Amino acid sequence: DTAVSQTPKYLVTQMGNDKSIKCEQNLGHDTMYWYKQDSKKFLKIMFSYNNKELIINETVPNRFSPKSPDKAHLNLHINSLELGDSAVYFCASSLGTVSNQPQHFGDGTRLSIL
Amino acid sequence: GESVGLHLPTLSVQEGDNSIINCAYSNSASDYFIWYKQESGKGPQFIIDIRSNMDKRQGQRVTVLLNKTVKHLSLQIAATQPGDSAVYFCAESEYGNKLVFGAGTILRVKS
Repeated sequence: DTAVSQTPKYLVTQMGNDKSIKCEQNLGHDTMYWYKQDSKKFLKIMFSYNNKELIINETVPNRFSPKSPDKAHLNLHINSLELGDSAVYFCASSLGTVSNQPQHFGDGTRLSIL
Repeated sequence: GESVGLHLPTLSVQEGDNSIINCAYSNSASDYFIWYKQESGKGPQFIIDIRSNMDKRQGQRVTVLLNKTVKHLSLQIAATQPGDSAVYFCAESEYGNKLVFGAGTILRVKS
């Protein structure tokens, strides 16, 4: 299946830990994104990479570090997890930049901090 | 369901009726608009998009209308089905910049 896939689907961990979420797309897209969706369903962009180059970096704590080893992968590493990091994190990809093509989303990683 | 406790606008329609979901956007310079459908436990799913040089675009059972004068976007769903029940988001962007999402509307379809 062609898709944006992210792992794990659920992540439960304790405050202070470091964790990573992986994302892969096999759609041949060259732009990838990370979004955070809070408990009120509000969806906000965090980062965007185009051909492995960071192009959007919103006001996100530097505990969050995206890494793009190639244009089909965009991973998110989070250091020193805090209670407020609990949310659903979505990876997305698009063929071009935002105004050219729609973004396709993965099914999310639900992060719960204890 | 997952929508319990969410204080989002809710539209309840009878199966077979047409649905209209509205969205007011904020940036008069936005030139690209898009609608997504999000089902419980899933990621947002692309429905339809429209650029600012158009005021209407049709897809399969869906129509998007854009009124730039009043900065209003709407999604019309014809012959609404139970499978259309979800949270619907509009989003806007300016000149290839980031997508900014609206708050979302819950659509409930009654059988």
